[in-house]
Amino acid sequence: DGGITQSPKYLFRKEGQNVTLSCEQNLNHDAMYWYRQDPGQGLRLIYYSQIVNDFQKGDIAEGYSVSREKKESFPLTVTSAQKNPTAFYLCASSMILTDTQYFGPGTRLTVL
Amino acid sequence: SQKIEQNSEALNIQEGKTATLTCNYTNYSPAYLQWYRQDPGRGPVFLLLIRENEKEKRKERLKVTFDTTLKQSLFHITASQPADSATYLCSRSSGGSYIPTFGRGTSLIVHP
Repeated sequence: DGGITQSPKYLFRKEGQNVTLSCEQNLNHDAMYWYRQDPGQGLRLIYYSQIVNDFQKGDIAEGYSVSREKKESFPLTVTSAQKNPTAFYLCASSMILTDTQYFGPGTRLTVL
Repeated sequence: SQKIEQNSEALNIQEGKTATLTCNYTNYSPAYLQWYRQDPGRGPVFLLLIRENEKEKRKERLKVTFDTTLKQSLFHITASQPADSATYLCSRSSGGSYIPTFGRGTSLIVHP
């Protein structure tokens, strides 16, 4: 089955710790994205990547970092610099930048 | 900036009725609009795409319209069912190197 996966589903972090959220896709898509969703809010773009070894900041990149070493993988690190990291994180991919996006199941991060 | 506006109030309707959700955009007309469904705690799922030069698109019980004069897209679900209850997101794409922009979504609740 082709698709996009995220792990873990739930993640708990202590204040001051960095955590990495995994995102993998086997759809052969070039573009990948990370969004953050807070209750009652829309999707806010954190980072996106159009091609391997290249990525761009979205609207709320501060306190986050990403890498794109492989076409299939786009991990997101939430650093201790992110002031309010508790949220639902969604990864998505698309054939090209402007195409329909396919979303993963999400990771819910809670800071204890 | 390119904005997408969706009604933040939940739409409550009775089973069997037609649900109509609204998506308004600002500034210039997008190349196309997309509609997604999101269930609680899950990633959005793509439903329909309508291009600027299309007036209407249908898929089973779903219908989307695109009115460039009103700068609006309407999303209809006919013969609604309780299983249609979810949040529906609208997204605009302008083509080129622009990332699609998402609205906050409208919650639909279908009562049996």
